[in-house]
Amino acid sequence: DAGITQSPRYKITETGRQVTLMCHQTWSHSYMFWYRQDLGHGLRLIYYSAAADITDKGEVPDGYVVSRSKTENFPLTLESATRSQTSVYFCASMSEVVYNEQFFGPGTRLTVL
Amino acid sequence: GENVEQHPSTLSVQEGDSAVIKCTYSDSASNYFPWYKQELGKRPQLIIDIRSNVGEKKDQRIAVTLNKTAKHFSLHITETQPEDSAVYFCAAPGGSFGNEKLTFGTGTRLTIIP
Repeated sequence: DAGITQSPRYKITETGRQVTLMCHQTWSHSYMFWYRQDLGHGLRLIYYSAAADITDKGEVPDGYVVSRSKTENFPLTLESATRSQTSVYFCASMSEVVYNEQFFGPGTRLTVL
Repeated sequence: GENVEQHPSTLSVQEGDSAVIKCTYSDSASNYFPWYKQELGKRPQLIIDIRSNVGEKKDQRIAVTLNKTAKHFSLHITETQPEDSAVYFCAAPGGSFGNEKLTFGTGTRLTIIP
């Protein structure tokens, strides 16, 4: 699990500010995912990527932007943060070989004031 | 899309007893069913998974059973120990997101009573 990291681990920001959460994996997995975790909702998919330069929306994409210029990095940007985006964000990766087994990063706890 | 329902939301079990968590799914094409364990403040970690060509899989004290006809699968933990206390999530692929993505249940908070 040390192969997937997230930064920062904790972030406090204000409403309206832009925030970028970073995710980096060293396994060269093709697939990467961003989830948010809120009490009572479990893990909800925000965006995912099947390869470099290929991204698509998940269940709750509004207010978020992603990019994937390199296989190992998958940043998530909140263009104008809102209080409803206060959450714990998890990045995950998956190999195209062992299909469906996802490995999670340590998470980023984001608070929007 | 895929809909995954998980029950119960909370479960308290005496140490040494067994615990069972159940999930149902909606997409009959789903073929992979993982269970994740998440300890407080930690990341979800895969503890066991099952594919649709088998009905049961065991790994020491944990097992997963799958009933494709009824579209449900269950996690069984035997001889529970304090370190089993955590939140457990089931998941299934498919639905509007496609098979490479997972839809998660809302989680079961398992508490082991010493």
